Amino acid sequence: DAKTTQPPSMDCAEGRAANLPCNHSTISGNEYVYWYRQIHSQGPQYIIHGLKNNETNEMASLIITEDRKSSTLILPHATLRDTAVYYCIVRVNNAGNMLTFGGGTRLMVKP
Amino acid sequence: DSGVTQTPKHLITATGQRVTLRCSPRSGDLSVYWYQQSLDQGLQFLIQYYNGEERAKGNILERFSAQQFPDLHSELNLSSLELGDSALYFCASSRGDYGKNIQYFGAGTRLSVL
Repeated sequence: DAKTTQPPSMDCAEGRAANLPCNHSTISGNEYVYWYRQIHSQGPQYIIHGLKNNETNEMASLIITEDRKSSTLILPHATLRDTAVYYCIVRVNNAGNMLTFGGGTRLMVKP
Repeated sequence: DSGVTQTPKHLITATGQRVTLRCSPRSGDLSVYWYQQSLDQGLQFLIQYYNGEERAKGNILERFSAQQFPDLHSELNLSSLELGDSALYFCASSRGDYGKNIQYFGAGTRLSVL
């Protein structure tokens, strides 16, 4: 699976959009981008995934650049409960299903 | 609530002992995964079972073993415990074996080896 690079930490004001970047410059054509988050020491929570098109669900939006070398997870109106470590994971969907977690980005939402 | 149930929530034991962690997957999910999260290693994949069969192995020590039973629940057995085995152990489940299967994680078991 392709390696990802994320900033170790970010701050965001409550009510504002949180934009979390992820670099995956070695991504190959059949690799998907997944985002999970972990709030404190709870189990990781799935947020969203995509291949090449932008995706949106009730939690977030995922913007993938045209060359697919980077992506941005957008939380449109961050709340204090969104404070968590966010993991960007790139993986092939037909080669086993384990997730490889990197260091992630620790997002702190401040009042 | 992810629908994945892990028991116990906390486990305190001594070095050299053996413990069993239990996981009940979401209804209808056939795959179960085990992950370990320690302070210095982050979240690491240990092993996957699909419908009772071992499917993939990660960085799982020989002292650790797992199995998935006919009712699809899974157990992770940790033996000859060492201080370094203290960690959070998460179980996840997904519908199928591979493909666009979202993994849903349980709340974890916190193991403390004293």
